[in-house]
Amino acid sequence: KQEVTQIPAALSVPEGENLVLNCSFTDSAIYNLQWFRQDPGKGLTSLLLIQSSQREQTSGRLNASLDKSSGRSTLYIAASQPGDSATYLCAVKAAGNKLTFGGGTRVLVKP
Amino acid sequence: GAGVSQSPRYKVAKRGQDVALRCDPISGHVSLFWYQQALGQGPEFLTYFQNEAQLDKSGLPSDRFFAERPEGSVSTLKIQRTQQEDSAVYLCASIWDRGAAQYFGPGTRLLVL
Repeated sequence: KQEVTQIPAALSVPEGENLVLNCSFTDSAIYNLQWFRQDPGKGLTSLLLIQSSQREQTSGRLNASLDKSSGRSTLYIAASQPGDSATYLCAVKAAGNKLTFGGGTRVLVKP
Repeated sequence: GAGVSQSPRYKVAKRGQDVALRCDPISGHVSLFWYQQALGQGPEFLTYFQNEAQLDKSGLPSDRFFAERPEGSVSTLKIQRTQQEDSAVYLCASIWDRGAAQYFGPGTRLLVL
């Protein structure tokens, strides 16, 4: 059974610092991996999607890497801003189409 | 529509009541998913439709949970005889293609008293 873990569970950084969020998964037979952002009381916003054949994806200040063989993905957010404060979730898709989520990392960026 | 919509956004039910949660996926999206998110945790898969066919319902926690998508667009998640442990946010997502990103609705926050 696929298990997804995100460490740390919470992170607090001063504004301007780079953020590094980690995601690990137990079964490397994945189809793709998706990073989401969730604001309190809201749904999930898709940030980046990495197909299993890709090593990384970039969008603005966000960069996500994928090492399928070791079961790891890392989300980098450059030059963090208070507006980046949210919970970040990673999820993997294997056969069957459903997503398996990690528990999330709660990020607080202090002005 | 612009995105996935869900209604109601909030629902308070007395223990034992039946509830129905609605999801309108993005127009043209073939696949639709339901997830349950407990407070402080990541979402957990409940069930999945491709068009009107329910292909996977392995995540439904009990036979009190039932989902349908009769015409391959709007879906309804029904919970019968609600219990306090059913309190959670119920999220709906849709995709147009197997390899594409899943797009989520805002969720329905269910509180069972």
